[in-house]
Amino acid sequence: GNSVTQMEGPVTLSEEAFLTINCTYTATGYPSLFWYVQYPGEGLQLLLKATKADDKGSNKGFEATYRKETTSFHLEKGSVQVSDSAVYFCALSPDSSYKLIFGSGTRLLVRP
Amino acid sequence: DTGVSQNPRHKITKRGQNVTFRCDPISEHNRLYWYRQTLGQGPEFLTYFQNEAQLEKSRLLSDRFSAERPKGSFSTLEIQRTEQGDSAMYLCASSSLPPNRGEEAFFGQGTRLTVV
Repeated sequence: GNSVTQMEGPVTLSEEAFLTINCTYTATGYPSLFWYVQYPGEGLQLLLKATKADDKGSNKGFEATYRKETTSFHLEKGSVQVSDSAVYFCALSPDSSYKLIFGSGTRLLVRP
Repeated sequence: DTGVSQNPRHKITKRGQNVTFRCDPISEHNRLYWYRQTLGQGPEFLTYFQNEAQLEKSRLLSDRFSAERPKGSFSTLEIQRTEQGDSAMYLCASSSLPPNRGEEAFFGQGTRLTVV
């Protein structure tokens, strides 16, 4: 079946540190891949996406590359800010379905 | 447009009662989705509408759950004979194309249901 596995949190970093949040997936065919973010008190919002192998999604300094050979879509940022503190969800949408399948989320806490 | 709107934001109900939630999607979006999220977990898909047609339902959507989208605009999710296990955040999302085409789904802030 289709599933997403992401690293457990919380992840605690100091401001300006490098961030990696691992995400691997299981899917048939060629799913679209997403990172959604949930800031405190707000709804889920799209952070970045990639729709085919080797695509790199990027937004607000975050990047993730669609790696079909390793079935991964790891989220990275070179220098995190306090305002990046949030819960990050990796998700996929199978090409045979209309739904999003989410990982369990990773909470990021950035300290000044 | 103010985005996806969900009402109520919070609902506390006694076990065995029926509850109904409403979702107003972004006006130009013809696709609407319901998800359920429990504490510490990612959202789980419940059902999908394209216009007024319900095209996909999860096995999570038991017989006690029913969703409608009359006239392809707002949607309602009803839970009959609520159980404590129904306590969760119920999220609505909408989009102009489905996410398997790489399209962004816009989420509402959710309705938090507590069954006591």
